[in-house]
Amino acid sequence: NAGVTQTPKFRVLKTGQSMTLLCAQDMNHEYMYWYRQDPGMGLRLIHYSVGEGTTAKGEVPDGYNVSRLKKQNFLLGLESAAPSQTSVYFCASSPYVGVRYNEQFFGPGTRLTVL
Amino acid sequence: GIQVEQSPPDLILQEGANSTLRCNFSDSVNNLQWFHQNPWGQLINLFYIPSGTKQNGRLSATTVATERYSLLYISSSQTTDSGVYFCAVPPSLDLTDSWGKLQFGAGTQVVVTP
Repeated sequence: NAGVTQTPKFRVLKTGQSMTLLCAQDMNHEYMYWYRQDPGMGLRLIHYSVGEGTTAKGEVPDGYNVSRLKKQNFLLGLESAAPSQTSVYFCASSPYVGVRYNEQFFGPGTRLTVL
Repeated sequence: GIQVEQSPPDLILQEGANSTLRCNFSDSVNNLQWFHQNPWGQLINLFYIPSGTKQNGRLSATTVATERYSLLYISSSQTTDSGVYFCAVPPSLDLTDSWGKLQFGAGTQVVVTP
């Protein structure tokens, strides 16, 4: 099992450019999440998905869009990158077990710099 | 939403020392995770511990949900324990609202010196 993988690992963009970050998981998890981590801070939730074809906003969704066309993949898009989006982006997945929520597993992260 | 506070913010240890990290949260929780972010940025799951005590090697954790805190114990610290330790809890006790989401604390930066 590869677990949670993220592509790419690093990226540099110019202001106004667009890009898509890909997250893939091979654990058949229902839930998937995108977080961002800024220097010296904890992770903040951008968007999440509770199943194929569903997405919802998290704590800091502005400037991002997401899609979950396949259960194993969760895409994060930046339509017009801004320097404030310079951050490390983490994807996570979690199984759904009854009404209790199981633990989240994280990918290795994508370091994005917007100039 | 729920507030998560971790203490201390920074900790410097000599190799072999023991330490305790604390996570306080402002409301009852039904889920809590501890993570270690190593110096390369990788997030490693340490414990999924909504309540009670768990041990994994030199690390152990205790969560007292009714008193709204969790403790992470590091014994006989090693240089590989360096990094940032995060605790995370659901943003709401309402299961229909949480959807497995996590609210992270700001972390405890741990440096273990040889």
